[in-house]
Amino acid sequence: DAEITQSPRHKITETGRQVTLACHQTWNHNNMFWYRQDLGHGLRLIHYSYGVQDTNKGEVSDGYSVSRSNTEDLPLTLESAASSQTSVYFCASSEQKGTARNTEAFFGQGTRLTVV
Amino acid sequence: AQSVSQHNHHVILSEAASLELGCNYSYGGTVNLFWYVQYPGQHLQLLLKYFSGDPLVKGIKGFEAEFIKSKFSFNLRKPSVQWSDTAEYFCAVNAKGAGSYQLTFGKGTKLSVIP
Repeated sequence: DAEITQSPRHKITETGRQVTLACHQTWNHNNMFWYRQDLGHGLRLIHYSYGVQDTNKGEVSDGYSVSRSNTEDLPLTLESAASSQTSVYFCASSEQKGTARNTEAFFGQGTRLTVV
Repeated sequence: AQSVSQHNHHVILSEAASLELGCNYSYGGTVNLFWYVQYPGQHLQLLLKYFSGDPLVKGIKGFEAEFIKSKFSFNLRKPSVQWSDTAEYFCAVNAKGAGSYQLTFGKGTKLSVIP
């Protein structure tokens, strides 16, 4: 079955370190998204991509970057981790269907990141 | 830009009680609407979705939602909740024709069902 997997599931890192969270999907979806989930804020969009070599900033993109070199992967990099980036990170993907945007997003299991 | 409001932060119900969770969105154009559920420690799963047509949509596990365009609402309902419905529920909107596929989420409603 097609799926979307995130790794690692849990990560503890120190302030100032660079961290990369992996996201890999086998749905062959063009669209991929990174969200962070925090108490009282729900899910907020960090970055997204609509295809290879395409990346866009979301609502809370400061301190994060992504790259899309193939369809399957959208790694999220924290350039210099800060305590404010302690959160649960979810990757999601969805399909493009021409001009119809009747698509739902499929989510990975999440990565719990703690910055100390 | 669109936004989503979920009125209740935490709802506590006894088993067999009826459930209604409110969701309102702000966007003047056509929208796709979703309800996702997140069981403790798990990822988000789709409960139901509205794209067009019948404004009353049925999802999994006995959930349904009604799209009322004039009220910009998409409330989630279930006639009789079970302990296994304890979870967090998120309403989300995607603006059609706005050139985007991204979802905007509400802040979530935590549902606790007491046996």
